[in-house]
Amino acid sequence: AQSVTQPDIHITVSEGASLELRCNYSYGATPYLFWYVQSPGQGLQLLLKYFSGDTLVQGIKGFEAEFKRSQSSFNLRKPSVHWSDAAEYFCAVGALYGGSQGNLIFGKGTKLSVKP
Amino acid sequence: DADVTQTPRNRITKTGKRIMLECSQTKGHDRMYWYRQDPGLGLRLIYYSFDVKDINKGEISDGYSVSRQAQAKFSLSLESAIPNQTALYFCATSVYRGNTGELFFGEGSRLTVL
Repeated sequence: AQSVTQPDIHITVSEGASLELRCNYSYGATPYLFWYVQSPGQGLQLLLKYFSGDTLVQGIKGFEAEFKRSQSSFNLRKPSVHWSDAAEYFCAVGALYGGSQGNLIFGKGTKLSVKP
Repeated sequence: DADVTQTPRNRITKTGKRIMLECSQTKGHDRMYWYRQDPGLGLRLIYYSFDVKDINKGEISDGYSVSRQAQAKFSLSLESAIPNQTALYFCATSVYRGNTGELFFGEGSRLTVL
């Protein structure tokens, strides 16, 4: 079955500390992977995406993610967290090719809190 | 102005009432989607439309219907609302063009069914 697992429901980090949010996926076809961020009361904003090429992708706001096919993982990282990064983060997977392209499967989200 | 606009942003209604959530987009995208977000459950796909004449059920379509009135407009209806349809609803768009598939989201419509 196609699925996305974000093992951590809630993470708290101190401002300035590094961050890693985990994402594992199960997908039968060639995956297209995304991280979205949702600030309180807002819609979802794309942080970054991966579909081919370099397995380390850079996104907005200083985030990066690494695709590891052997581990079916696409973990999100940031070297130094800012208070404004407090939000909920969603990993998603979709088909790279075919008619279902654009029908993303989302994880349940990881809520990030940032301590001063 | 937002590229993907949802109305209303907030709505409180009673069980049994008919509700329509509307979505319009200025991105020129051909594909439109309705997702539902519940705390701890992430986003789940309700319906999607690849063009005006193409409507497809998603993971949780029961109790919902949609209408694609034009390329830029996609409405979600709850014919007879029930309390467990209380949720945050998102409209999204995408374009089928080579290696894309990114979704662009509206700001959400919060629905409360009493």
